[in-house]
Amino acid sequence: GDSVTQMEGPVTLSEEAFLTINCTYTATGYPSLFWYVQYPGEGLQLLLKATKADDKGSNKGFEATYRKETTSFHLEKGSVQVSDSAVYFCALSDRNTDKLIFGTGTRLQVFP
Amino acid sequence: NAGVTQTPKFQVLKTGQSMTLQCAQDMNHNSMYWYRQDPGMGLRLIYYSASEGTTDKGEVPNGYNVSRLNKREFSLRLESAAPSQTSVYFCASSVLDRAIYNEQFFGPGTRLTVL
Repeated sequence: GDSVTQMEGPVTLSEEAFLTINCTYTATGYPSLFWYVQYPGEGLQLLLKATKADDKGSNKGFEATYRKETTSFHLEKGSVQVSDSAVYFCALSDRNTDKLIFGTGTRLQVFP
Repeated sequence: NAGVTQTPKFQVLKTGQSMTLQCAQDMNHNSMYWYRQDPGMGLRLIYYSASEGTTDKGEVPNGYNVSRLNKREFSLRLESAAPSQTSVYFCASSVLDRAIYNEQFFGPGTRLTVL
């Protein structure tokens, strides 16, 4: 079945460092891809999305490109802030049902 | 516009007790979902409802039942709680219009502990 694999955390960075969180997927057909973020004590929020190959999703300085050839959707940010500390989830969805399949999540800790 | 709301926020049960987790959305969404979040396992779909009056099993439905009471409300029931059901439960909703991309909106979660 469809699945999502993302790098284990925690990822620990100093403020203003470059961030990459790797995500790869296995799916039949052409899924949509997402990054969700979960701040401490809260539910998940959509961070960015891409619905077809070569699309780049971006939001709040974060970016990810839908790479069909490598089945990847890596999350990047050029300069992280302490406020970016959260758990980041990569996910894919079946267009017909909107069901989401999540990766296991990657905790990001940013220190001043 | 409250989005997706869940009650209660926290609950402690003893093994064998029953309870119902409530979820409501005020965005006129067609689809609603229940997930559980466990350390190291991400979120896993328990049940979902594509529209009022329909429900389907997700990845981990055993030990749970659901009711789509109306378009707004989707409840999750544990008939006989087990320690393995200790988890954080999230409800979500989406439009489910196949012509466009549909974002899922999540509630704040219910933290359940079964002793």
